[in-house]
Amino acid sequence: GAVVSQHPSRVICKSGTSVKIECRSLDFQATTMFWYRQFPKQSLMLMATSNEGSKATYEQGVEKDKFLINHASLTLSTLTVTSAHPEDSSFYICSASSGGARETQYFGPGTRLLVL
Amino acid sequence: GENVEQHPSTLSVQEGDSAVIKCTYSDSASNYFPWYKQELGKRPQLIIDIRSNVGEKKDQRIAVTLNKTAKHFSLHITETQPEDSAVYFCAAGFGYNQGGKLIFGQGTELSVKP
Repeated sequence: GAVVSQHPSRVICKSGTSVKIECRSLDFQATTMFWYRQFPKQSLMLMATSNEGSKATYEQGVEKDKFLINHASLTLSTLTVTSAHPEDSSFYICSASSGGARETQYFGPGTRLLVL
Repeated sequence: GENVEQHPSTLSVQEGDSAVIKCTYSDSASNYFPWYKQELGKRPQLIIDIRSNVGEKKDQRIAVTLNKTAKHFSLHITETQPEDSAVYFCAAGFGYNQGGKLIFGQGTELSVKP
């Protein structure tokens, strides 16, 4: 149980284009999903908390107009990197919490983004 | 906000030895402390977690201890095996009803030599 998927697993795009990443909870309903960015050999940096049916909460320093988050259903959250630039190249990972009394976050497999 | 410091950044042990990774956190309100294992290019996998109402938890070769007064917690792996080699992350956060946000430590690259 508690499986989280992400799509695509990797994407290469040209500078200036937008890229959408999907995060799905496959066998549970996730009222809260989290988006992280991870640079090589570094830790997971929380970008934003995504709550179903409401606006995402962004961490300090994360541009909400650049990283658009939509959590339209209890099993799907999307992250759109708008007008991507080479410095946005990174490993983006989502996690989902099944809620209730459990705080456990289950992670997706990640999306490797390369902006040329 | 919460800040989590993790040490050491790299750790090399011989197979069969024990490994200890330590973390400190800044926000005394944090009440949930998970540990994740991440292999290269893979997703982080939860290996053990502890809540603030417990001082120690064990699961086979893995144990975690929590000292709320000192605001630090540690991961102990006994009888290490080569397949334990990975990057380990600690995290501190709040329960689901308080947002469920986690802040991660910098990670420890564990290498277990056969």
